[in-house]
Amino acid sequence: NAGVMQNPRHLVRRRGQEARLRCSPMKGHSHVYWYRQLPEEGLKFMVYLQKENIIDESGMPKERFSAEFPKEGPSILRIQQVVRGDSAAYFCASSPDMTGNNEQYFGPGTRLTVT
Amino acid sequence: QQPVQSPQAVILREGEDAVINCSSSKALYSVHWYRQKHGEAPVFLMILLKGGEQKGHEKISASFNEKKQQSSLYLTASQLSYSGTYFCGTEISEKLVFGKGTKLTVNP
Repeated sequence: NAGVMQNPRHLVRRRGQEARLRCSPMKGHSHVYWYRQLPEEGLKFMVYLQKENIIDESGMPKERFSAEFPKEGPSILRIQQVVRGDSAAYFCASSPDMTGNNEQYFGPGTRLTVT
Repeated sequence: QQPVQSPQAVILREGEDAVINCSSSKALYSVHWYRQKHGEAPVFLMILLKGGEQKGHEKISASFNEKKQQSSLYLTASQLSYSGTYFCGTEISEKLVFGKGTKLTVNP
C-alpha cells in the first residue's frame, strides 16, 4: 500500500514564476491537508480539502495561493508569482474516510526554493 | 490556539528518559504526536482521543489529561533512533494545529 506521494521533491523557481505542487493521498483516503514548514519551525496548516471541495482554507494566504482536489487525479497546490518568502517545505497529508479518528499520514514534502 | 511544547530542546545520552509536554489554553479533544527527522516527513506516533487515555508504542508512551488541557510524551531508555523533532498537534475544526516542536538529540 503506497504512502502519500508528492512531486516534485525539489522545485526551484525564479521570482514571479508559478509553482505547482502535487499530492496523491494514500489509497482509500479522501481527505487531504497541506502544510507549510519554514526551516527550524513547526508545521503551519494551510488548507483542508475533500474530493472536489475546499473544506477549510483559513491558513492560505489570500492572494497568489490556491488549492484543488479534483475528482480524478492528485491534489494541487498552486502558487502564482512566487516571492522569496514562499521558499519552504510544503507537506501534504491524508487521512481516512472514517470519522472520529483524524490520523494524518504525511508525504515526503516538496522543497520549494525561490531564487 | 497553537499548543505550547516544552522543553524546546533536550539532549540525552542513550538509555536515558525524557518527557515532552504539550499544553493548550483551549479545551483539547484530541492530541496527536509526530516525530520528524531532519529533511524528512513527520511520522505519526500516536493519537489520544479521550481524557485520561494513555498509549504506548515500544518504549514511547503518552498520556492525555483533558482537565489540565495537556498531554505528555514519555520516552524511556532512549535509543539513537529517537533523535528528531517531536510535534504535538491539537485538532481544531478538523484541522491539526501543531506546536513549535521539541528537538530531541540522543547521543551515544
